[in-house]
Amino acid sequence: AAGVIQSPRHLIKEKRETATLKCYPIPRHDTVYWYQQGPGQDPQFLISFYEKMQSDKGSIPDRFSAQQFSDYHSELNMSSLELGDSALYFCASSRRQGWSLHEAFFGQGTRLTVV
Amino acid sequence: GIQVEQSPPDLILQEGANSTLRCNFSDSVNNLQWFHQNPWGQLINLFYIPSGTKQNGRLSATTVATERYSLLYISSSQTTDSGVYFCAVERSGGGADGLTFGKGTHLIIQP
Repeated sequence: AAGVIQSPRHLIKEKRETATLKCYPIPRHDTVYWYQQGPGQDPQFLISFYEKMQSDKGSIPDRFSAQQFSDYHSELNMSSLELGDSALYFCASSRRQGWSLHEAFFGQGTRLTVV
Repeated sequence: GIQVEQSPPDLILQEGANSTLRCNFSDSVNNLQWFHQNPWGQLINLFYIPSGTKQNGRLSATTVATERYSLLYISSSQTTDSGVYFCAVERSGGGADGLTFGKGTHLIIQP
C-alpha cells in the first residue's frame, strides 16, 4: 500500500540558509499535517491543510511557511535557519470526516541539521 | 489544549517479559493512536483505537474513553520492541490541529 512520502530524507544547511521539505500524502487523503520533533522530544504540531486550504496553525515560527498544491502534495519552506531548527520533520496524512480524523499515517521524516 | 500523560517514562525489561504502558488524557477524544518510534526515527502505527480493545499479535490495546485512558500491552517482549512508544489523541471538536502527542515511554528490551 502507498505510504506518505517525504523528501529529502536528510538535509544539512548552514545558518541563515533556506530549506524546502516536500510531502506526498497517501492517495485520497484530504488532510496533511506537519510536525517537528526535536531530539528527545515528542512531535509538535506545526500546521495543517484540509483540501488544499490551510486549516490550523500550531507552534510554527514566522520564518516557516507551507502550502498544499493542486496535486495534494505539500511543501514546508523554512527561511533564516537557526541552529535550533535542527530536528526531525514529519508529514502525516489522513482523511477527515466532519470533526473526526481517521487514522493518520506518518512519513519517514526529514532529518534537518543546521550547522 | 488537551493534555496527554504517558507512564512510565522509561522502562527496562528482559526479553520475554510483559509490559503495560498507560496513556491518560484530559478531555474527550475523537481519535487515539499508539505509535512505535524505532531507533531510526520512523513512527510506526500500532493501533487506531478511540475506544474498545484491539489485538495484533503480541500487542493489544484498550481505550476506556469515558475514563480518559488507554493501555498498550506488550507480551513476550523482543529486543526489536525497543524504542519509544507514543500515545497521540485528537480532542473531540478540536478542529484541524491533528494529533497531540504524549511525552512517550522509552522501552529498552535487554537480551
